Amino acid sequence: KQEVTQIPAALSVPEGENLVLNCSFTDSAIYNLQWFRQDPGKGLTSLLLIQSSQREQTSGRLNASLDKSSGRSTLYIAASQPGDSATYLCAVRRGSQGNLIFGKGTKLSVKP
Amino acid sequence: NAGVTQTPKFQVLKTGQSMTLQCAQDMNHEYMSWYRQDPGMGLRLIHYSVGAGITDQGEVPNGYNVSRSTTEDFPLRLLSAAPSQTSVYFCASSRLAGSLTDTQYFGPGTRLTVL
Repeated sequence: KQEVTQIPAALSVPEGENLVLNCSFTDSAIYNLQWFRQDPGKGLTSLLLIQSSQREQTSGRLNASLDKSSGRSTLYIAASQPGDSATYLCAVRRGSQGNLIFGKGTKLSVKP
Repeated sequence: NAGVTQTPKFQVLKTGQSMTLQCAQDMNHEYMSWYRQDPGMGLRLIHYSVGAGITDQGEVPNGYNVSRSTTEDFPLRLLSAAPSQTSVYFCASSRLAGSLTDTQYFGPGTRLTVL
């Protein structure tokens, strides 16, 4: 059974720091991996999607990497800002049906 | 495009009552799904659909029914609400069920409390 773990559960950093969020999964047979952002009381917003054949994806200050063989992904946020404060969720898609298996998220707080 | 819309935003039910959570998308997506989000549990898949007339169970389907009569709509029915169904419910959709690159789009959620 696929399990997705995110460490740490919470993280507080001062503004301007570069930071890394971690995601691990137990079954390397995945279709793709997505990182989402969730603001309090809101839905999920997709940040980056990495296909199983890719090693990384970048969007602005965000960079996500994928190492299928070790079952790990990282989300790197450069020059963090208070507006980055949110919960970040990692999800793997394990088959053609599109169903996602989510981690429990990392709650990020960026202090001014 | 409105994207994925959900109604209502908030709902309070009494144990044993039934209700339908509405979900609609205007992106002509084939794949639609329902998740529930509980503290400490993360998001868990309830039911999903890969096209009109096709539905299947996810990880936690008990107590819920779905149907998909049109591409746009995917309602979730609670047959007899229980306090254990108190949760935040999210509907999601994506372009192609079999595509490697499809991003899933989520609705804003319905916060349900069962007393």
